[in-house]
Amino acid sequence: QLQLQESGPGLVKPSETLSLTCTVSGGSISSSSYYWGWIRQAPGKGLEWIGSIFYSGYTYYNPSLKSRVTMSVDTSKNQFSLRLSSVTATDTAIYYCARRGGYSGHDDRGYFDYWGQGTLVTVSS
Amino acid sequence: SYVLTQPPSVSVAPGQTARIACGGNNIGRKSVHWYQQKTGQAPVLVIDYDSVRPSGIPERFSGSNSGNTATLIISRVEAGDEADYYCQVWDSSSDLYVFGGGTKVTVL
Repeated sequence: QLQLQESGPGLVKPSETLSLTCTVSGGSISSSSYYWGWIRQAPGKGLEWIGSIFYSGYTYYNPSLKSRVTMSVDTSKNQFSLRLSSVTATDTAIYYCARRGGYSGHDDRGYFDYWGQGTLVTVSS
Repeated sequence: SYVLTQPPSVSVAPGQTARIACGGNNIGRKSVHWYQQKTGQAPVLVIDYDSVRPSGIPERFSGSNSGNTATLIISRVEAGDEADYYCQVWDSSSDLYVFGGGTKVTVL
């Protein structure tokens, strides 16, 4: 059974960089069939996609966050990571990593079928 | 960018049918996916590609998509179905995954 687990600091100071890692177990991150992604949820709010990455390192990001987001992948450790720079209180959220399944095309990029349990990141001084 | 509109809440009695709408401009031309999120838990995919049930999802969950509205249908509702439900599409115009605002389903 595929499992994903987020890890990283639960508290980040304003203007600093949020860094999270997702460890994948029960399957290979190097599968050519899947992308991997980060989604966040502010307290009491809905879901917001942050970005997605392929094992080759190809990425695509939410345009509204693109200037602050960097994602990377480490196939040797079966992990992928998120860095979000210049954080503010509005970046306080539960951050989920997830596997993206389905088609990969211009008009269709599928769904998120496996999710980590999520990790709460609070931005505060 | 593309907007998905969901009713904030839906209430349904046990054993009845819940219908959760997800509105969007010509959404029938897009593929819609649905997630269930119980309190304090990660989302779970319950319907993909408008009406496909992933492995392990009860047959009580179904979906449709036409025109400007996609619908998640939960038949024979149980207390355990109480959760927030989100629809999701890929917006190729903005290169962005879009989620609806979510619908809280309350079982009376």
